[in-house]
Amino acid sequence: DQQVKQNSPSLSVQEGRISILNCDYTNSMFDYFLWYKKYPAEGPTFLISISSIKDKNEDGRFTVFLNKSAKHLSLHIVPSQPGDSAVYFCAASGANNLFFGTGTRLTVIP
Amino acid sequence: DAGVTQSPTHLIKTRGQQVTLRCSPKSGHDTVSWYQQALGQGPQFIFQYYEEEERQRGNFPDRFSGHQFPNYSSELNVNALLLGDSALYLCASSLALRTNYGYTFGSGTRLTVV
Repeated sequence: DQQVKQNSPSLSVQEGRISILNCDYTNSMFDYFLWYKKYPAEGPTFLISISSIKDKNEDGRFTVFLNKSAKHLSLHIVPSQPGDSAVYFCAASGANNLFFGTGTRLTVIP
Repeated sequence: DAGVTQSPTHLIKTRGQQVTLRCSPKSGHDTVSWYQQALGQGPQFIFQYYEEEERQRGNFPDRFSGHQFPNYSSELNVNALLLGDSALYLCASSLALRTNYGYTFGSGTRLTVV
């Protein structure tokens, strides 16, 4: 039972444009949501998080939006850079554990 | 400051064998979680150790077992290996069961069962 879903396996964006990665979840008890970035042959690295009591969190080029009523969150990257090309995982925190989506492969085209 | 260290990086085992994977958490972290990432999938939670005890367990059979040592390092053991156990095994550390600041992950151990 997949509690966190990323329905887009891949996304291609031109350098300088906005990248929008989406994530849906089913469990309303999740209290934090996180985004991780993963390069090949490396473990996931923490990117940005948002508490369930907020609807937006911004850190430099990265902004995460949370819509609790829709059980949906998104990660915006502006402007996108070639170094952002990686697999992005959405994760939700509940019961002291993290539940991950299946990932979206972002390719930023120079 | 060393992050999470996992060993070995790659491993090939035969079906039916047993394997032990090792993890040293980030300095200052006391909680270790293990994840299995199959090809094309997101990490799936196996179990979590805190204060040398298994605190939580995901939907994995008893063939998967673990241990945490007094220095917070941890081992993941898998018995009677199946072909389907082939995956990247990730260790993640955190502080005192807290997840809202995110885990620190190691680079993983790539296990291939033949």
